[in-house]
Amino acid sequence: GAVVSQHPSRVICKSGTSVKIECRSLDFQATTMFWYRQFPKQSLMLMATSNEGSKATYEQGVEKDKFLINHASLTLSTLTVTSAHPEDSSFYICSARRQGEFYNSPLHFGNGTRLTVT
Amino acid sequence: QKEVEQNSGPLSVPEGAIASLNCTYSDRGSQSFFWYRQYSGKSPELIMSIYSNGDKEDGRFTAQLNKASQYVSLLIRDSQPSDSATYLCAVNIFSGGGADGLTFGKGTHLIIQP
Repeated sequence: GAVVSQHPSRVICKSGTSVKIECRSLDFQATTMFWYRQFPKQSLMLMATSNEGSKATYEQGVEKDKFLINHASLTLSTLTVTSAHPEDSSFYICSARRQGEFYNSPLHFGNGTRLTVT
Repeated sequence: QKEVEQNSGPLSVPEGAIASLNCTYSDRGSQSFFWYRQYSGKSPELIMSIYSNGDKEDGRFTAQLNKASQYVSLLIRDSQPSDSATYLCAVNIFSGGGADGLTFGKGTHLIIQP
C-alpha cells in the first residue's frame, strides 16, 4: 500500500507557458502532501506543504504566485508552474503522508516529473 | 536553520564489503531520521527509519543514531552492485504547527565495484 502516482513523468514546454503536475495517492487518503524540487546533483528542496482544503504553506524563497498548489481532495494535489522559464527546469517530486499517520512517519514519494522549459 | 550534511562522495566499495554512510544534522530538535535511496532520474525510496538512539537492523541494512552527537549513519553489509545509488539522509522536526516535510542532505553517491 501507500502508492503515490505523479503525472506526467516528463514534460517539455516552451518558455512562458504553464504546466500542471498531478500527484495522486492511489490507495490511501493524504491530508498532507509535500512538493519538492531537485536540481541536478542537488538535494531535494521542499517547496511547499499542501493541506487538503486549505492554502498551501510555501518555503522561504518559493514564489506562491508562480507555483500554484491546489489540494482539493484527500487524494489529489496539483502543482502548476505558471509562466515557466528555463531556470524552472528541474525534477519535481511530490510526497504524501497517509491520513492518521503521525507527523514523524516516513513520506511516500511519487515517481517525479522531469520538467524541461525551452 | 535546519541543515543536514553528507559527504557527496563518490564512495567506492568493493562488492561484498561493508559500505558506511554518514550524516550529521544541525537541529537538536530533530526527532525522526530516514535513509532514502535514489537511483539516477528516479524518486527516492525509503530504506530505513530510526527514531531512538542505538542501532536498528533490517536485512543487510543497519541504521545508527546518536542524538548527542547529532549523527546518523547507514551500514550496508555484503554490498551488491545493485546498491550503487545516491543515499539521502533526511530528518524531520516537529514544529508544533502541524506536519512538516523532511529536510534532506545532498546525498552520498555510492559505487559498488564488482
